[in-house]
Amino acid sequence: DSGVTQTPKHLITATGQRVTLRCSPRSGDLSVYWYQQSLDQGLQFLIQYYNGEERAKGNILERFSAQQFPDLHSELNLSSLELGDSALYFCASSVPRRVGNQPQHFGDGTRLSIL
Amino acid sequence: AQRVTQPEKLLSVFKGAPVELKCNYSYSGSPELFWYVQYSRQRLQLLLRHISRESIKGFTADLNKGETSFHLKKPFAQEEDSAMYYCALSGRGTGGSYIPTFGRGTSLIVHP
Repeated sequence: DSGVTQTPKHLITATGQRVTLRCSPRSGDLSVYWYQQSLDQGLQFLIQYYNGEERAKGNILERFSAQQFPDLHSELNLSSLELGDSALYFCASSVPRRVGNQPQHFGDGTRLSIL
Repeated sequence: AQRVTQPEKLLSVFKGAPVELKCNYSYSGSPELFWYVQYSRQRLQLLLRHISRESIKGFTADLNKGETSFHLKKPFAQEEDSAMYYCALSGRGTGGSYIPTFGRGTSLIVHP
């Protein structure tokens, strides 16, 4: 068990809606990463937070946003959902030394289905 | 822009055969490279990283800067090696922060 917890495991919603995905990192990890995995795009890096601050940004849409709270858990907010947003969303965390180059520990993911 | 290419979606071998999962990367600086593995019904987890230069579960990977490759190898495949393998690169983005980039993965199937 990597210690990274993601909730919910599954989410089914409709187009136009907004959802929030939650991630609790491993104890002691300050960095949280969010990824989107779809069949045609593979694992795409969305955004990274380190100790509450945005550290790096990847291919994250403007309809998506994230934040990391003082207790280090993170939330990924997806709004105005489209069919193409259906995917598996992973969270990962890493130890704070040399941020960005440390191995990441992944959660089980949240499967989002847009109907 | 940094890129990771895993040319094979699927690699099928028999038990005891050698295995090589290919990974090529594109990055202008000195990258840090990783191999992650996802076994059936398990989480994605780190297998090895190039700076460690170690062998994990019989797998090794050597960084070849000239060929910009980081292929994963094992001399004798085992059935329990069947999994999805992802090559990943961590390199500095335009803003100076490290950006992780993953390949699309190779599914390894080892037949008995």
